[in-house]
Amino acid sequence: EAGVVQSPRYKIIEKKQPVAFWCNPISGHNTLYWYRQNLGQGPELLIRYENEEAVDDSQLPKDRFSAERLKGVDSTLKIQPAELGDSAVYLCASSWVTSGSSYNEQFFGPGTRLTVL
Amino acid sequence: AQSVAQPEDQVNVAEGNPLTVKCTYSVSGNPYLFWYVQYPNRGLQFLLKYITGDNLVKGSYGFEAEFNKSQTSFHLKKPSALVSDSALYFCAVRDALILTGGGNKLTFGTGTQLKVEL
Repeated sequence: EAGVVQSPRYKIIEKKQPVAFWCNPISGHNTLYWYRQNLGQGPELLIRYENEEAVDDSQLPKDRFSAERLKGVDSTLKIQPAELGDSAVYLCASSWVTSGSSYNEQFFGPGTRLTVL
Repeated sequence: AQSVAQPEDQVNVAEGNPLTVKCTYSVSGNPYLFWYVQYPNRGLQFLLKYITGDNLVKGSYGFEAEFNKSQTSFHLKKPSALVSDSALYFCAVRDALILTGGGNKLTFGTGTQLKVEL
């Protein structure tokens, strides 16, 4: 079974430039998550999708960050314009979640390491 | 609000010795608890979870964790450490009562670096 795929793996940009990250979740998983992991910290949720719907984007800095999950499969996370403080690893995860069921574990991709100069 | 504490930034252990990585949590209801491991330049890999039932949970690669409700802890253990176990370990929690919307969120600790030496 293929895991969560993310690209690119590394990205270096100058501040004020735009950047986009792509994620392909595990086949059949209806829920997709974007996390940001700062150096020395645990992942922090940015946005969660159930199918095409963003059901939790409370931690997404909406002035510069945007995300979409067209057709409920692949997802793209965009930053425009990037700031120095956006340097981090951006992780995508997916899981199968149904209402009222036990919580299923999330499967993570390898992440995109963003460096903003 | 839910939270996780991993009090040790780093744990050092000799190969063959038992290891423990500590985790305490705080939720308003009952917890769902998870352990993940992260190797360099890789994403997090699921190790084990506690949802309900037996307080001792067995997971991948010989790891196990013990849920202790009175101490609000979920420590990760392994009877005999291997050098290949050296990695960054994350504990995570979710409140079992909140199933939808913003409540269905996993909160991670800051991680514990495990170093197993020969």
